Amino acid sequence: AQSVTQLGSHVSVSEGALVLLRCNYSSSVPPYLFWYVQYPNQGLQLLLKYTSAATLVKGINGFEAEFKKSETSFHLTKPSAHMSDAAEYFCAVSLSGGFKTIFGAGTRLFVKA
Amino acid sequence: NAGVTQTPKFQVLKTGQSMTLQCAQDMNHEYMSWYRQDPGMGLRLIHYSVGAGITDQGEVPNGYNVSRSTTEDFPLRLLSAAPSQTSVYFCASSPLGAAVAQHFGDGTRLSIL
Repeated sequence: AQSVTQLGSHVSVSEGALVLLRCNYSSSVPPYLFWYVQYPNQGLQLLLKYTSAATLVKGINGFEAEFKKSETSFHLTKPSAHMSDAAEYFCAVSLSGGFKTIFGAGTRLFVKA
Repeated sequence: NAGVTQTPKFQVLKTGQSMTLQCAQDMNHEYMSWYRQDPGMGLRLIHYSVGAGITDQGEVPNGYNVSRSTTEDFPLRLLSAAPSQTSVYFCASSPLGAAVAQHFGDGTRLSIL
């Protein structure tokens, strides 16, 4: 069975600093991986996804993530944080042929002025 | 562009009451799903559907029923509300396929006293 672990329920960075949100997955077959963002009182929106093409995936709002099979990781990064990046971020995994997406517990990002 | 529409946005129930959370999508998506979001637990799949007349259980189906009579609508029924069902409920839809991202509604905040 697949699972997702997000390290750190809260991450705080200064505006302009690097953002790094960690995600590790467990899967017996090659997974599809997603990062979603949730702003207050809203549903989740897709940031980016990995579907077995390029291992470095670029998403919206300057975010990117790198799929590392050897480390079973899919960490999310952004070179320079902006106040508008403050939100909760979810990593998720699904498997080919399946109908279930498994979400991590989420990481809340705080951005300090 | 309505996307995924959930009603109501807020609801307070008493223990033992029943109610239906509504979800409608206008994108002709085959796949629809219901999640509950609880602090520190991410999103957990309650039920899902891969087309009209086809539904299946997710991780936490107990206490909930669903039906899918049309492609557009996927209501979630709480048969006898319990305080443990206090949560934020999200409906999502997508085309079929594990590599496809889901589109989320804005959620229903449900409190059960």
